[in-house]
Amino acid sequence: EAGVVQSPRYKIIEKKQPVAFWCNPISGHNTLYWYRQNLGQGPELLIRYENEEAVDDSQLPKDRFSAERLKGVDSTLKIQPAELGDSAVYLCASTSWPGGEQFFGPGTRLTVL
Amino acid sequence: KNQVEQSPQSLIILEGKNCTLQCNYTVSPFSNLRWYKQDTGRGPVSLTIMTFSENTKSNGRYTATLDADTKQSSLHITASQLSDSASYICVVSARTGGGADGLTFGKGTHLIIQP
Repeated sequence: EAGVVQSPRYKIIEKKQPVAFWCNPISGHNTLYWYRQNLGQGPELLIRYENEEAVDDSQLPKDRFSAERLKGVDSTLKIQPAELGDSAVYLCASTSWPGGEQFFGPGTRLTVL
Repeated sequence: KNQVEQSPQSLIILEGKNCTLQCNYTVSPFSNLRWYKQDTGRGPVSLTIMTFSENTKSNGRYTATLDADTKQSSLHITASQLSDSASYICVVSARTGGGADGLTFGKGTHLIIQP
């Protein structure tokens, strides 16, 4: 069974440019998470979806970040415009029920120059 | 405020030696505690999960303990191998309203195994 798939794996952009990350969760997993992980830190939640509904986006910087999960399956996280401080690894995770074991994707490493 | 503190921040040991990583939390009401292993350039992978009633759980050479009274957990690695070099993250789940669990992540312990 395929795990959580993320693309791209790496992205280098200049500041003020837009960028988008894509995540395909494990089949059947209704709960999807986006995290940001800075070097030497633990993951920090950006947004959590239950099916297509964003149930926790309190930590998402809404002035420049947006996310969607239109059909309750795969999801896209967008940053526009990117800032230098956005350089980090963006992790996607999914689980079959809230509070269940999370399965993480490999992450997208973003570098903003 | 829910918090998870891990120690040490980093650790270097020789191959074959044992080590113990610590996790202290102030998450309430407690639901469960997980230890994850994160290899460089990869996402975290679950090692163990413990609920309130469990005080020890093993996964191969990894043994996790939980003391819910003192709100402490440890991860013991026996006979370390080079492949154990990774970050180990403690994640504590709080039971929130509506049946959804809020998660609090520690910053992780960066473990290096030297030959």
